Amino acid sequence: AQKITQTQPGMFVQEKEAVTLDCTYDTSDPSYGLFWYKQPSSGEMIFLIYQGSYDQQNATEGRYSLNFQKARKSANLVISASQLGDSAMYFCAMRDLSSGYSTLTFGKGTMLLVSP
Amino acid sequence: ETGVTQSPTHLIKTRGQQVTLRCSSQSGHNTVSWYQQALGQGPQFIFQYYREEENGRGNFPPRFSGLQFPNYSSELNVNALELDDSALYLCASSLDSGRASNEQFFGPGTRLTVL
Repeated sequence: AQKITQTQPGMFVQEKEAVTLDCTYDTSDPSYGLFWYKQPSSGEMIFLIYQGSYDQQNATEGRYSLNFQKARKSANLVISASQLGDSAMYFCAMRDLSSGYSTLTFGKGTMLLVSP
Repeated sequence: ETGVTQSPTHLIKTRGQQVTLRCSSQSGHNTVSWYQQALGQGPQFIFQYYREEENGRGNFPPRFSGLQFPNYSSELNVNALELDDSALYLCASSLDSGRASNEQFFGPGTRLTVL
């Protein structure tokens, strides 16, 4: 069963606007972590933000915030005031321990294009 | 603090050949995970090494093998290369404390092309 679902293959946004990238997940483990990574064309995965399953508040890191709705199993990334440099692939990932060891399961990603 | 490094950056091989990719983990990290990222896809977990032992493996055949050394650097070996092995191979290191919050730090990747 797919653990991470990103339904938006591509998103377009104008510079300075906000954009939401969707992510839903599935796990039976009560303890898990949700991550968002940015991957520019160079290929390196850049960590953006983390949300723990027991965290009471939504995570924020600068212009990035995570809209965590535990009952709906969603962890959407919100980027405020988009910049041209935000154009990249964005991956949602989950880490749980249901397999007996901790590793990341990634979604298929969303390509974000920011236009001037 | 030195980040995660991978070598080589790019590699071209032919079907049937063998390849070794290398990864140096971030200072102080004892866990290395390898991922395969095909074009247009998200990374897929290959295996993970913790203190020189493989402690987890994804859905990859035995021709994908690895090693972790006492300094926690790691190698990924792929035998009998197939065209579908063409991908970006990412290495990630972490300090595994068994918690879901452990962040993995990724290297720049090795882009392998199999002709």
